[in-house]
Amino acid sequence: EIVMTQSPATLSVSPGERATLSCRASQSVSSNLAWYQQKPGQAPRLLIYGASTRATGIPARFSGSGSGTEFTLTISSLQSEDFAVYYCQQYNNWPPVTFGQGTRLEIK
Amino acid sequence: QVQLVQSGAEVKKPGASVKVSCKVSGYTLTELSMHWVRQAPGKGLEWMGGFDPEDGETIYAQKFQGRVTMTEDTSTDTAYMELSSLRSEDTAVYYCANQPGFGYSGYFDYWGQGTLVTVSS
Repeated sequence: EIVMTQSPATLSVSPGERATLSCRASQSVSSNLAWYQQKPGQAPRLLIYGASTRATGIPARFSGSGSGTEFTLTISSLQSEDFAVYYCQQYNNWPPVTFGQGTRLEIK
Repeated sequence: QVQLVQSGAEVKKPGASVKVSCKVSGYTLTELSMHWVRQAPGKGLEWMGGFDPEDGETIYAQKFQGRVTMTEDTSTDTAYMELSSLRSEDTAVYYCANQPGFGYSGYFDYWGQGTLVTVSS
């Protein structure tokens, strides 16, 4: 089973600034990586798939990069609605698909 | 636009079973690849199993093998997830989620709103 490790666990950033979230896979997942945003009491929302393709309706300030074992989600200019928990997920080797433990993005 | 609407919260005793439903609208269930993901309170996401369109079978995570059954009623476009021999560690929000496309895609584009299952004596 591929283990996904996200860092940092919590990231404090001011509105309008850039946020950079990291995700590492225990072995290569090629570009088969997705990112999700989850707000309290809500289901996860797909942001990025294929490591860098934005899902339908996702603002351009969200971007994904990386391949193999190292991935990054960047939010270029944080808006108030972006403060949430973010998860990465690999789907290269399944079953199972596996998720990272999440990064909480909080207002500084 | 796919909409997934799940059944309401459940409280179960240890050893019991729970069956959660996920009603599809906007598409028919046969056009979707439904999976189930759970989230314990304050914890991360855990994949439980789902439909593999490559071979037409339902695949379960090894952790849940023998305890979980995922079924579909195409006449009502409703998917079900039944988990048996419940224990306190099964207390979680259970989500149905769709994998897009006609073949294996691996990620989840539409999610149900979640169903809280509480296991307590």
